[in-house]
Amino acid sequence: AQSVTQLDSHVSVSEGTPVLLRCNYSSSYSPSLFWYVQHPNKGLQLLLKYTSAATLVKGINGFEAEFKKSETSFHLTKPSAHMSDAAEYFCVVSPANAGGTSYGKLTFGQGTILTVHP
Amino acid sequence: DTGVSQDPRHKITKRGQNVTFRCDPISEHNRLYWYRQTLGQGPEFLTYFQNEAQLEKSRLLSDRFSAERPKGSFSTLEIQRTEQGDSAMYLCASSLLDGWGTDTQYFGPGTRLTVL
Repeated sequence: AQSVTQLDSHVSVSEGTPVLLRCNYSSSYSPSLFWYVQHPNKGLQLLLKYTSAATLVKGINGFEAEFKKSETSFHLTKPSAHMSDAAEYFCVVSPANAGGTSYGKLTFGQGTILTVHP
Repeated sequence: DTGVSQDPRHKITKRGQNVTFRCDPISEHNRLYWYRQTLGQGPEFLTYFQNEAQLEKSRLLSDRFSAERPKGSFSTLEIQRTEQGDSAMYLCASSLLDGWGTDTQYFGPGTRLTVL
């Protein structure tokens, strides 16, 4: 079974300052990991994904995340926040079988609401 | 390619009525998923299809819920005898396994159900 813990329910930053959204996961095999963003009244948009090809993953809109197996973490960062980054962010794990192929349901964290102040 | 679409976007119904939602996946995707999201929570898995076959159902999916994907393209989710606790956003996602063995899911805009 897999699980995801997002360590902060709310994060508030000033525009132009760095963003750090923290995520820890648990999974039986090497999982696939994702970050999705959800703007108010909008659907979920994929920000980035980890697939074991590289531990540092770059996504859209300047976001990146680093997979650290020893810490079972997949924190999301951005060097400089923009007002348009204000949204809810979900860390997500997808199970994988022993052969490394992902399948089936995603397990979502509880979400982190990012507020950006001018 | 216009992405995953869902219809209707909003549905208001009275308790005890039946409702049906439709999802049209990205055309070449063979996997289709349904999730439910309640206020302040992350989405929770309900069920998924690979082509026409329904491969997994969550325990959240009571007997009042049924999903179909008859021709391996669009899918419908029906809720019978709706209850106020069914009020939620119902999300559909589709995917195609990539060369890395990763199942990346792309989500539709959701159908917001309100049961009065």
